Amino acid sequence: SQKIEQNSEALNIQEGKTATLTCNYTNYSPAYLQWYRQDPGRGPVFLLLIRENEKEKRKERLKVTFDTTLKQSLFHITASQPADSATYLCALDLRHGSSNTGKLIFGQGTTLQVKP
Amino acid sequence: EPEVTQTPSHQVTQMGQEVILRCVPISNHLYFYWYRQILGQKVEFLVSFYNNEISEKSEIFDDQFSVERPDGSNFTLKIRSTKLEDSAMYFCASSEHLRKTQYFGPGTRLLVL
Repeated sequence: SQKIEQNSEALNIQEGKTATLTCNYTNYSPAYLQWYRQDPGRGPVFLLLIRENEKEKRKERLKVTFDTTLKQSLFHITASQPADSATYLCALDLRHGSSNTGKLIFGQGTTLQVKP
Repeated sequence: EPEVTQTPSHQVTQMGQEVILRCVPISNHLYFYWYRQILGQKVEFLVSFYNNEISEKSEIFDDQFSVERPDGSNFTLKIRSTKLEDSAMYFCASSEHLRKTQYFGPGTRLLVL
């Protein structure tokens, strides 16, 4: 069956440390993988997109890796701050051959809590 | 910075009533989406819309659901006869091109009693 799994437990880390979040998938062939941030009661906010032929992408304190062999993406926040506390969602953008609709398949999210 | 807007922010309705959720996508975007999120669950795809027609819909998007872009700026989701299980947060999203970043609106929280 098709699955996307993120760290099910909340992640608690100390300010200044690096947070690493995991997204694993099975029986999907994503062309792109995206990471979003979601605060309670709000819509997802786009953070980073990585293509299937890219290994790593960086944006300021954020880094994403994508291993299509392992079927895994890792999302890192370096020098974490309490303001980084939120739920982080990974989303797959699938290949459908000739049918490309842009549909995103979301994981359930990992809640990150950064303590001062 | 341009953003997707949605109205209303909250809607309470009785089971069996019709609701229309409204979205104004970012102005130069061509691809439009509706997603929903039941409390405590994943964000789920409902429908994608391009060139004035549905390009894909999920199993959730049955005959009770419809979408429309009536005037070139608004994008609406109609639920004809709401059920209790339709209670969720509904998010509209838009993107400039296929597989470009999807920008999400703040959502409409729908409660069906």
